[in-house]
Amino acid sequence: AQSVTQPDIHITVSEGASLELRCNYSYGATPYLFWYVQSPGQGLQLLLKYFSGDTLVQGIKGFEAEFKRSQSSFNLRKPSVHWSDAAEYFCAVVTLHGSGNTGKLIFGQGTTLQVKP
Amino acid sequence: NAGVTQTPKFRVLKTGQSMTLLCAQDMNHEYMYWYRQDPGMGLRLIHYSVGEGTTAKGEVPDGYNVSRLKKQNFLLGLESAAPSQTSVYFCASSYIDSYNEQFFGPGTRLTVL
Repeated sequence: AQSVTQPDIHITVSEGASLELRCNYSYGATPYLFWYVQSPGQGLQLLLKYFSGDTLVQGIKGFEAEFKRSQSSFNLRKPSVHWSDAAEYFCAVVTLHGSGNTGKLIFGQGTTLQVKP
Repeated sequence: NAGVTQTPKFRVLKTGQSMTLLCAQDMNHEYMYWYRQDPGMGLRLIHYSVGEGTTAKGEVPDGYNVSRLKKQNFLLGLESAAPSQTSVYFCASSYIDSYNEQFFGPGTRLTVL
């Protein structure tokens, strides 16, 4: 079965430091991958997505992610973290089923990012 | 353009009571979804709809029913609430060919006592 694993439940970084959040997926075909961010008390906002092509994708708020098929990974990175980046981050993969694009998102468990001043 | 809205934002129920959560979107999206979010478990799909008048089960459908009578609305019902249904509920919607780039509502926090 398709699955997404985020190995780190909680990460703390200092403001200005670099960040990498890990995501591993299990999916037989070419995956469609997403990173979402959830600020406290808010809904989810799309940071970036990978469908095909260049394996390094740029997103909003200065985030980027790299798709590595050989490692089944889609890690999220940011060169310099800001205090406003403190939030919960979710990696997700689309699973296609049936006829047409009636895909469903499978989410990882989430990683909570804390930013120290 | 409000995007995806959810009503109510908070609700407390007693075991056995019923309620309906309303999701509305103004983006003319074909697909709509209901998720629940529980600590350490990410978001899990309850039910979804690929168009007006259609619904389908997701990962955790038991205890919930849905209806999509109008394209812009997707209702989630709890007929007899249980404490295990205490959660934060999110609605989302997407275009038909967007490979599930989903737009989320702000959530409804439900507590069942």
